[in-house]
Amino acid sequence: DAGVIQSPRHEVTEMGQEVTLRCKPISGHDYLFWYRQTMMRGLELLIYFNNNVPIDDSGMPEDRFSAKMPNASFSTLKIQPSEPRDSAVYFCASSSGQGTYEQYFGPGTRLTVT
Amino acid sequence: SQELEQSPQSLIVQEGKNLTINCTSSKTLYGLYWYKQKYGEGLIFLMMLQKGGEEKSHEKITAKLDEKKQQSSLHITASQPSHAGIYLCGADNRGAQKLVFGQGTRLTINP
Repeated sequence: DAGVIQSPRHEVTEMGQEVTLRCKPISGHDYLFWYRQTMMRGLELLIYFNNNVPIDDSGMPEDRFSAKMPNASFSTLKIQPSEPRDSAVYFCASSSGQGTYEQYFGPGTRLTVT
Repeated sequence: SQELEQSPQSLIVQEGKNLTINCTSSKTLYGLYWYKQKYGEGLIFLMMLQKGGEEKSHEKITAKLDEKKQQSSLHITASQPSHAGIYLCGADNRGAQKLVFGQGTRLTINP
């Protein structure tokens, strides 16, 4: 299995620009999670989906952030407009939801907003 | 909401030495997950503990769950350079899929 795939791996953009991060979960997994990791706040859950439906978006910082999952094999996290404080590593993870909550993480996207 | 506190925040040990990392929860633990992260990479699942008193081992890493103390420990025996990285504990809220993570413990192994 290829594991969770994220793109791009690195993104540098200017403040005010739109940023789109992409994720392909492990085939057969019906839960997908978006996390943000910073030195100050650690690893934070932003939103998660079950069977392509958003279940909990309470971690989404503000309206500038939005996430979609149009099908079982693809999800996006969009930031519009981006701000320097959005600079972080964004992880996508997926799980099968069968009994245990073991999550498999992608390699992350390192976002820098200047 | 549940919070996890890890100690120590960072740890430097000599290669070959044993070490222990602790994870304490503000609420009852139903499931405790240990992950390892190398710089610039995603989290790698190590092991999961669900029952009080449960203990699991993988190679030279042993994790224990003390449900009464709402605490878990991760013990590495005869540390090697490959053990270096950030160790994070995560806990689930019973009935919910999402995990809450601790701040992580940065482990450095000196040769």
